[in-house]
Amino acid sequence: DAGVTQSPTHLIKTRGQQVTLRCSPKSGHDTVSWYQQALGQGPQFIFQYYEEEERQRGNFPDRFSGHQFPNYSSELNVNALLLGDSALYLCASSPTGQSYEQYFGPGTRLTVT
Amino acid sequence: AQRVTQPEKLLSVFKGAPVELKCNYSYSGSPELFWYVQYSRQRLQLLLRHISRESIKGFTADLNKGETSFHLKKPFAQEEDSAMYYCALSQMNTGFQKLVFGTGTRLLVSP
Repeated sequence: DAGVTQSPTHLIKTRGQQVTLRCSPKSGHDTVSWYQQALGQGPQFIFQYYEEEERQRGNFPDRFSGHQFPNYSSELNVNALLLGDSALYLCASSPTGQSYEQYFGPGTRLTVT
Repeated sequence: AQRVTQPEKLLSVFKGAPVELKCNYSYSGSPELFWYVQYSRQRLQLLLRHISRESIKGFTADLNKGETSFHLKKPFAQEEDSAMYYCALSQMNTGFQKLVFGTGTRLLVSP
């Protein structure tokens, strides 16, 4: 089991563009959470998906949206990119009812110029 | 508002010295506290959870509700303990937990 995988590893976008980040959860996990980690900060919760629905959301604008597929993989979409969206985006997965134990992926480094 | 504070950005100790990484929190209910660790070139991973009351890699952490603290301790630091440590708080909401992280403390253990 490769654990949680994320793609791409790095991404450079221009302000105003849109981006899609992808995540495959660890085998046996059905809950996926997304976090944004700015330089020098701890991860900040964006939202969480379970059974293809958004279950919780952090303090992020509607420009941030997501999706979960029947195979539990997930996408994070960010529209109208701002310079301040530059960060490491982490995906974490957990099994049903045990979302306290989150397994993190390596992250996608997004740079907005 | 729920918040986790880690006052030290960097903690530098010598091998064999005791280590204490500080974590304070604010939470209006019954919190669940965690320590996550990120070693160089590795992904963020759970170190320990206050409910389990385990000792992992020689580290322990006790939840002090009176002082709203969850400090991470190890009596004798090892070089392989050098890493970034994050304290995190879990918020229960409709059965799904999200983590609130502190800003992290980098532990550097010198030989």
